[in-house]
Amino acid sequence: DAGVIQSPRHEVTEMGQEVTLRCKPISGHNSLFWYRQTMMRGLELLIYFNNNVPIDDSGMPEDRFSAKMPNASFSTLKIQPSEPRDSAVYFCASSLGNPTEAFFGQGTRLTVV
Amino acid sequence: AQKVTQAQTEISVVEKEDVTLDCVYETRDTTYYLFWYKQPPSGELVFLIRRNSFDEQNEISGRYSWNFQKSTSSFNFTITASQVVDSAVYFCALSDTLQGGSEKLVFGKGMKLTVNP
Repeated sequence: DAGVIQSPRHEVTEMGQEVTLRCKPISGHNSLFWYRQTMMRGLELLIYFNNNVPIDDSGMPEDRFSAKMPNASFSTLKIQPSEPRDSAVYFCASSLGNPTEAFFGQGTRLTVV
Repeated sequence: AQKVTQAQTEISVVEKEDVTLDCVYETRDTTYYLFWYKQPPSGELVFLIRRNSFDEQNEISGRYSWNFQKSTSSFNFTITASQVVDSAVYFCALSDTLQGGSEKLVFGKGMKLTVNP
């Protein structure tokens, strides 16, 4: 199994630009998570999908952030417009649901200048 | 609210030393899961272990062992005979069951372990 695949691995963009992060979960997993990792706040959950439906988006910081999961094998996290404080590593993870562990992708390191 | 505390932020040891990483959690749930993840310098998060709240038996996997004590709300992780490849940031996490039955992971701040040759 290829694991959770995220793209791009690194993204540098200018403030105000739109950024789209992509994720392909492990085949057969029905839960998908987007996490953000920063030095100040550590790892925090942004949004959670179950069977392609957003269940909990209370961690999404602002309306500038949006996430979609059009099918079981693909999800996107979009930031528009991006700001320097959005700079972080964004992780996608998938799991089979309770009770099991989540498998993480390698992350996308986003830098907004 | 769920909370995970990793009091140590950084530890440095010499190869072959044993090292214990502390984790204390807070939860009001009677059923929950505890996890340890490893984040090596390459950046990915690697799952190490899951333990449910009803199983307080200690677990050993090679050089790794985990001590779960409900009475003190702790889930400590010990690496025996540490190696340079163990150098990483280690995260303890606690499950918070979401609508739909899956788990949101509440992470501690992480503990950076450096093993020197």
